[in-house]
Amino acid sequence: EVQLVQSGAEVKKPGESLKISCKGSGYSFTSYWIGWVRQMPGKGLEWMGIIYPGDSDTRYSPSFQGQVTISADKSISTAYLQWSSLKASDTAMYYCARHEPELLGSVAFDIWGQGTMVTVSS
Amino acid sequence: DVVMTQSPLSLPVTLGQPASISCRSSQSLVYSDGNTYLNWFQQRPGQSPRRLIYKVSNRDSGVPDRFSGSGSGTDFTLKISRVEAEDVGVYYCMQGTHWPRWTFGQGTKVEIK
Repeated sequence: EVQLVQSGAEVKKPGESLKISCKGSGYSFTSYWIGWVRQMPGKGLEWMGIIYPGDSDTRYSPSFQGQVTISADKSISTAYLQWSSLKASDTAMYYCARHEPELLGSVAFDIWGQGTMVTVSS
Repeated sequence: DVVMTQSPLSLPVTLGQPASISCRSSQSLVYSDGNTYLNWFQQRPGQSPRRLIYKVSNRDSGVPDRFSGSGSGTDFTLKISRVEAEDVGVYYCMQGTHWPRWTFGQGTKVEIK
């Protein structure tokens, strides 16, 4: 079964750092992109960025460039999303999702993780 | 950015009746290869999103055939021919034509009357 399994919920204070993970299984992890999507409480979906684990090619949505860092470790089929200094406004559910090899002309994300809830509060 | 505007934002439907959701884009979604990269997602309460349709009208594996997508250019529609209880949730359109500024619609909440 093709699946993406994300790390558990996190509660952090403003200014703290955080790295959440997304582990793929059931398919060739290095042959598909892994993207990250934010959903703030009660709100819609926002695309953040994407990584190709095969060569770590990483692209960011202009809206999130410089705000987060995406990385991957292909040896353990895991992608990551990290923050160096969290803000209260980073409170959201974060989803990882699989994307086909072609980005220019996107059929978007066909497999989604279960989501990781990040709460940032003093 | 390309703005995706969905309507209605809330859609109460009677079980067994049809439902229709509109999605309009601020720019044409026809890509240079001639394809139109308009995709639809369903998010049931408490669940992750799930892709239903890609490239306007192609249903994903396992998606019931009561779901259909249509449209062209800037004007698109998702139709449910006969709503069932499991169809309750929020539906999002998303454009994948204008890289890197992929954008989602605001979402349409489908509920049972």
